[in-house]
Amino acid sequence: DQQVKQNSPSLSVQEGRISILNCDYTNSMFDYFLWYKKYPAEGPTFLISISSIKDKNEDGRFTVFLNKSAKHLSLHIVPSQPGDSAVYFCAAAVNSGTYKYIFGTGTRLKVLA
Amino acid sequence: NAGVMQNPRHLVRRRGQEARLRCSPMKGHSHVYWYRQLPEEGLKFMVYLQKENIIDESGMPKERFSAEFPKEGPSILRIQQVVRGDSAAYFCASSPRRGADTQYFGPGTRLTVL
Repeated sequence: DQQVKQNSPSLSVQEGRISILNCDYTNSMFDYFLWYKKYPAEGPTFLISISSIKDKNEDGRFTVFLNKSAKHLSLHIVPSQPGDSAVYFCAAAVNSGTYKYIFGTGTRLKVLA
Repeated sequence: NAGVMQNPRHLVRRRGQEARLRCSPMKGHSHVYWYRQLPEEGLKFMVYLQKENIIDESGMPKERFSAEFPKEGPSILRIQQVVRGDSAAYFCASSPRRGADTQYFGPGTRLTVL
């Protein structure tokens, strides 16, 4: 039972344009969401998070949008840079209990120079 | 401020041997999580530990796998009598508090079972 889904396994974007990565979830108890970036042979690196009391959080070139009614979140990267090429994972957690993260399967972003 | 450290980075074992994976959390972090990533999949939660306590092991296979986080020293994920299906990347993460704190990940240990 995949509670967090990233339906696009890959995405290619031209340098300087916007990258939009999507994530859907099924568990309405999730109230904390994160995006991680992962390079090959490295651990995931935290990018940005959002609590369910917000619908948007911004940090530099990265913005996360949360649509609770649609159980959907997205990560926008503007402008995209070649160094952004990596696999992006969204994760969700319930802000009570053990806070274990449930990860999506990842989207491989390729930013073309 | 050193990040989460894991060793070894690569571990090769033959079927039936034991694998020990170590994780040193970030300084000041007393909460440790272990995740496993199989090829082409996302990370799957295995176990959550605080010092000397297992808080949630709902993601751990019932047999052959165990984890500890002693008062002194790193957290250890132990896999006994490894099988080929145990081949995966094992990641450790740590956080300073219990709660919706960001978990910071180590570089992972890639286990290969021959």
